[in-house]
Amino acid sequence: EAEVAQSPRYKITEKSQAVAFWCDPISGHATLYWYRQILGQGPELLVQFQDESVVDDSQLPKDRFSAERLKGVDSTLKIQPAELGDSAMYLCASSLGGAGETQYFGPGTRLLVL
Amino acid sequence: GEDVEQSLFLSVREGDSSVINCTYTDSSSTYLYWYKQEPGAGLQLLTYIFSNMDMKQDQRLTVLLNKKDKHLSLRIADTQTGDSAIYFCAEKEQAGTALIFGKGTTLSVSS
Repeated sequence: EAEVAQSPRYKITEKSQAVAFWCDPISGHATLYWYRQILGQGPELLVQFQDESVVDDSQLPKDRFSAERLKGVDSTLKIQPAELGDSAMYLCASSLGGAGETQYFGPGTRLLVL
Repeated sequence: GEDVEQSLFLSVREGDSSVINCTYTDSSSTYLYWYKQEPGAGLQLLTYIFSNMDMKQDQRLTVLLNKKDKHLSLRIADTQTGDSAIYFCAEKEQAGTALIFGKGTTLSVSS
């Protein structure tokens, strides 16, 4: 069964350092989402891509976060500089697109900022 | 804005039925989902229902949708210890948009 891949699974960094997360969606899925899940909360959207284009980045803190999906396949989310409040689970999801599509999630990257 | 509310905790005995409830505020929500999250893991899609349906059954899972009250429920029959996890209700208004999640309901199953 096809799955969304994410790496690394865990990342510990010090504040002010740069971190990057990678996501490889299910093959053929045009839409890719990055969500952030703070402990005890539900996931919240950071950025949504349709192919290589950003569809929604209204909740992305653009002063420190950036995301790209250059070839419309895999994607990278970067934080620079990391802050203590960025400690969370970062989840990637993908979907085919179109009416009624469902989103499939990867295992997530758990980030701890010290 | 949109909001999704869930009760935070549910405890049941193995073999009993579990009912997890969810309310949402966006009357134009078209798609409603239930996801399961085990500790330290990503979200696993359990089931979904479209707003033109009232009920959907999938093996041990039954989803009921009351559009008038904007209420969604997930019933798990014959609950097992392996069902212990956090269950998230999520909605979205239209195709191609991101999901709006509740805070999750922690289901604890005791043997």
